[in-house]
Amino acid sequence: NAGVTQTPKFQVLKTGQSMTLQCAQDMNHEYMSWYRQDPGMGLRLIHYSVGAGITDQGEVPNGYNVSRSTTEDFPLRLLSAAPSQTSVYFCASSYSSSSNTGELFFGEGSRLTVL
Amino acid sequence: AQSVAQPEDQVNVAEGNPLTVKCTYSVSGNPYLFWYVQYPNRGLQFLLKYITGDNLVKGSYGFEAEFNKSQTSFHLKKPSALVSDSALYFCAVRLTEGGSYIPTFGRGTSLIVHP
Repeated sequence: NAGVTQTPKFQVLKTGQSMTLQCAQDMNHEYMSWYRQDPGMGLRLIHYSVGAGITDQGEVPNGYNVSRSTTEDFPLRLLSAAPSQTSVYFCASSYSSSSNTGELFFGEGSRLTVL
Repeated sequence: AQSVAQPEDQVNVAEGNPLTVKCTYSVSGNPYLFWYVQYPNRGLQFLLKYITGDNLVKGSYGFEAEFNKSQTSFHLKKPSALVSDSALYFCAVRLTEGGSYIPTFGRGTSLIVHP
């Protein structure tokens, strides 16, 4: 059981470049989300999705786009990378809805450096 | 609005001694509470959760947490610390019903267990 798979694990970009962080889960989870982790800031929610075709903004959405065309995949796109987007990115998924306790399953992270 | 506070950035404990990692929360309703652990260069892993019922919750790796509704706390505990417990620990809260079921995370507490 692969769980939540993120690629790439490491990426170096130049300012202004674009890229996509991939996230896939094989647990048939409705809810998927992207977080960034920065020293002293904990985890901050970027975007989330409660099902295919539905996405919404989290706490820090600027500079990022997402789409959810399938239940399994939730890619995060950086449109024009900036040094402030240097961070470790985590994808997480869970069963959705308020009737479920919804503990999150996390990927191993993608470390992004923007020069 | 919901929030989580982890008042200690770092907790130091000697191997074999009991450990406590503190967490307090604020929600306008009944909470689901979670603890996650993050080992170096890894994603977060679910440790335990409080849903309802017994205030003492047991989880993975010998950890337990005590829910205290009057003090709005959910402290993580272990009777005898191991060096391998050294990691970053995150507390999270979400509402059981109504409002957003998206969890809110604390900033994390670094646990260092000394040999």
